[in-house]
Amino acid sequence: QVQLVESGGGLVKPGGSLRLSCAASGFTFSDYYMSWIRQAPGKGLEWVSYISSSGSTIYYADSVKGRFTISRDNAKNSLYLQMNSLRAEDTAVYYCARIYCTNGVCWFDYWGQGTLVTVSS
Amino acid sequence: DIQMTQSPSSLSASVGDRVTITCRASQSISSYLNWYQQKPGKAPKLLIYAASSLQSGVPSRFSGSGSGTDFTLTISSLQPEDFATYYCQQSYITPWTFGQGTKLEIK
Repeated sequence: QVQLVESGGGLVKPGGSLRLSCAASGFTFSDYYMSWIRQAPGKGLEWVSYISSSGSTIYYADSVKGRFTISRDNAKNSLYLQMNSLRAEDTAVYYCARIYCTNGVCWFDYWGQGTLVTVSS
Repeated sequence: DIQMTQSPSSLSASVGDRVTITCRASQSISSYLNWYQQKPGKAPKLLIYAASSLQSGVPSRFSGSGSGTDFTLTISSLQPEDFATYYCQQSYITPWTFGQGTKLEIK
């Protein structure tokens, strides 16, 4: 069955960096676009970034553009999010999600359990 | 950016009730609209994709409709396990955006 397991979250000071990982299993990772979505404590969902199956196409939310970098290693079935220049407002649970698309319509069909990132001094 | 507005933001209902949640997009998004359910402390779960297609394994009491700017999620007969927060999400254009959520509570 499809499994997505995030890791790498933790407490970091403002201005610091953190790298999140998402280990995928149960499907052919290299066939799918992947995404990061976050949820601040007690708040709604915010899409952060997505990456195409080959890694050649990448999009970011304006709130993280220039600070976060999404990447993937298809040989290791892994998705990453390098987060630099972290701010208090980046505090959130970060989910990785598989993207499924058909006829041009896309959706998040599987989600990981999330990893908490806390940015605080 | 496309703004997604859900109404109501919260809703109290009883087991067996029929419930409708509305999602409005700030511009036309065709049928590029998905619905998710989230329970406390858990990851969101896909319910409906492409406005009206039921995800495999999701009970048939859930249904979605709409196109353009106005969409609805309907639960035909509420079950105890349906009390959760529901989000709509557009994938018409990046940045993909979510509605603010509708919290469905037990009356």
